[in-house]
Amino acid sequence: GENVEQHPSTLSVQEGDSAVIKCTYSDSASNYFPWYKQELGKGPQLIIDIRSNVGEKKDQRIAVTLNKTAKHFSLHITETQPEDSAVYFCAAGGGQNFVFGPGTRLSVLP
Amino acid sequence: DARVTQTPRHKVTEMGQEVTMRCQPILGHNTVFWYRQTMMQGLELLAYFRNRAPLDDSGMPKDRFSAEMPDATLATLKIQPSEPRDSAVYFCASGPDRYYGYTFGSGTRLTVV
Repeated sequence: GENVEQHPSTLSVQEGDSAVIKCTYSDSASNYFPWYKQELGKGPQLIIDIRSNVGEKKDQRIAVTLNKTAKHFSLHITETQPEDSAVYFCAAGGGQNFVFGPGTRLSVLP
Repeated sequence: DARVTQTPRHKVTEMGQEVTMRCQPILGHNTVFWYRQTMMQGLELLAYFRNRAPLDDSGMPKDRFSAEMPDATLATLKIQPSEPRDSAVYFCASGPDRYYGYTFGSGTRLTVV
């Protein structure tokens, strides 16, 4: 089955700096890669996703890149703000369901 | 905004008691998931349904957990008997299609003492 690794597990950045979170997956059949943001006491919220026929996708300050050959994908957040502080999860799948990575706790320091 | 509604938000119960968690998926979503989140294991898929039919419940301890969708507006997750190791946050999520991200509910925080 699919296995998703995520790094780093924790990340601290200064407000205004960029943050990058990286994930690798094992199943070459996976073709859908969503990213979720989870704030304290809430459920995960989809923030961006990418399909295997696209190498990069951008939505305002967030972007995701995908390298299917290497089986890795990354989340990029630019101009970070305190409200970006949360736990971020990557996931991989597409057949029937996703496998989530273990999460990255992002802290944006003012 | 359409949302996935989970009840109760919090539940404290004694070991051995039955626990029932409920989920109202977003109207029109045909895929419903149950996840469990713990610090140690992260987000684990317990079961999921498509068009109310169970497709995969391999993540659930079969002897004590059961998941059902009595109708399109209600999904339930039951634990009987509950054990302290079941303490976790249980999330329900729903989606319109397997190629779209799912919407999660706010979760049920279960504590078994």
